[in-house]
Amino acid sequence: AQTVTQSQPEMSVQEAETVTLSCTYDTSENNYYLFWYKQPPSRQMILVIRQEAYKQQNATENRFSVNFQKAAKSFSLKISDSQLGDTAMYFCAFNHGNNDMRFGAGTRLTVKP
Amino acid sequence: GAGVSQSPSNKVTEKGKDVELRCDPISGHTALYWYRQSLGQGLEFLIYFQGNSAPDKSGLPSDRFSAERTGGSVSTLTIQRTQQEDSAVYLCASSRGQLQETQYFGPGTRLLVL
Repeated sequence: AQTVTQSQPEMSVQEAETVTLSCTYDTSENNYYLFWYKQPPSRQMILVIRQEAYKQQNATENRFSVNFQKAAKSFSLKISDSQLGDTAMYFCAFNHGNNDMRFGAGTRLTVKP
Repeated sequence: GAGVSQSPSNKVTEKGKDVELRCDPISGHTALYWYRQSLGQGLEFLIYFQGNSAPDKSGLPSDRFSAERTGGSVSTLTIQRTQQEDSAVYLCASSRGQLQETQYFGPGTRLLVL
């Protein structure tokens, strides 16, 4: 069974600093897809970044980047130059190409002014 | 273009009543998903529609839950004889159809069963 673990229920960071959110997953598949979604208080889930497992290069989207370690089954999210608007729940998700996207329990991130 | 929309945004009902939740996916998206998010929890997969294929209902928690998708577009999630444990946010997502495609989420319906 595929599972996704986010070991940090809550984190906080000072504005303009860098924070890393952890995610590990368990799978026997070789080809799959990993996602980070952000859910602000408005409830709207927004895709932050995605990574295809067959790509060795870590995905980057502006201030957001991932550290994808396939052998360790680790997929952490780094947020640089944190902004107040980054305050949200962050969910790591895994999909190996079936209907069942598995989500972690989430990390609540608070950016402090 | 417009994103995924859901209605109502909030629903309060009494235990034992039936409720219907609606999802309008992004135009042209052939895949549609329903998830349930309980307070402080991650997302629980409920059901998946892809085009005209039979839906994957493997995530539905009981036979009180059902969903339809008419004309390959709008979907309705129905919960019959609601229970207090059904209280949650119900999220809908759509994608372009390939299973590895990014899912785009609606704002959800917050259901409270008294």
